[in-house]
Amino acid sequence: KNEVEQSPQNLTAQEGEFITINCSYSVGISALHWLQQHPGGGIVSLFMLSSGKKKHGRLIATINIQEKHSSLHITASHPRDSAVYICAVKETSGSRLTFGEGTQLTVNP
Amino acid sequence: DTGVSQDPRHKITKRGQNVTFRCDPISEHNRLYWYRQTLGQGPEFLTYFQNEAQLEKSRLLSDRFSAERPKGSFSTLEIQRTEQGDSAMYLCASSPRLAGSWDHNEQFFGPGTRLTVL
Repeated sequence: KNEVEQSPQNLTAQEGEFITINCSYSVGISALHWLQQHPGGGIVSLFMLSSGKKKHGRLIATINIQEKHSSLHITASHPRDSAVYICAVKETSGSRLTFGEGTQLTVNP
Repeated sequence: DTGVSQDPRHKITKRGQNVTFRCDPISEHNRLYWYRQTLGQGPEFLTYFQNEAQLEKSRLLSDRFSAERPKGSFSTLEIQRTEQGDSAMYLCASSPRLAGSWDHNEQFFGPGTRLTVL
């Protein structure tokens, strides 16, 4: 069992749909990151959070520390949101990030 | 562009050859990280530096791999006697030191170097 698990692995949506990607982890963490990776490899940090909820434009990230679970929501999805979304945690015992395997999101027009 | 840069972006080499990658972090970022990502998987931690000191290395970093950050600025990752299993995207990230704590500091990623070993 991976320390960080994401679901679903693949997600296809129609433009305008509300999207949720989930992340569960099994270790103690000091922070959780949501990252976006487009084809070609570049990774962009979307959120870093350690409690509660953050919002940036159409993106919302929440975390429940007690349940060791985080969600990334995209409202009014658009084809340009198509990418791989990766959850990563920073364990309390170190500085490294441990990554989930990513969720491939495809938003069709 | 003041982001993290990596060079080269792509490298094709024959098995057994040595390769070296370079990462230039965001200016004044104290920490620099190397990750490896194989197709369809999330990145995996390799090693990280705080200034010029290499503070942690993953078990993934065999003795064929060596990383340096001699002046606490750019870093190099060398792979000796490359194997086909080394084919992957090698990602570099840097993070700033925040006043009072090393926790909760965001990592900024470079575009990666894609290595193909034939």
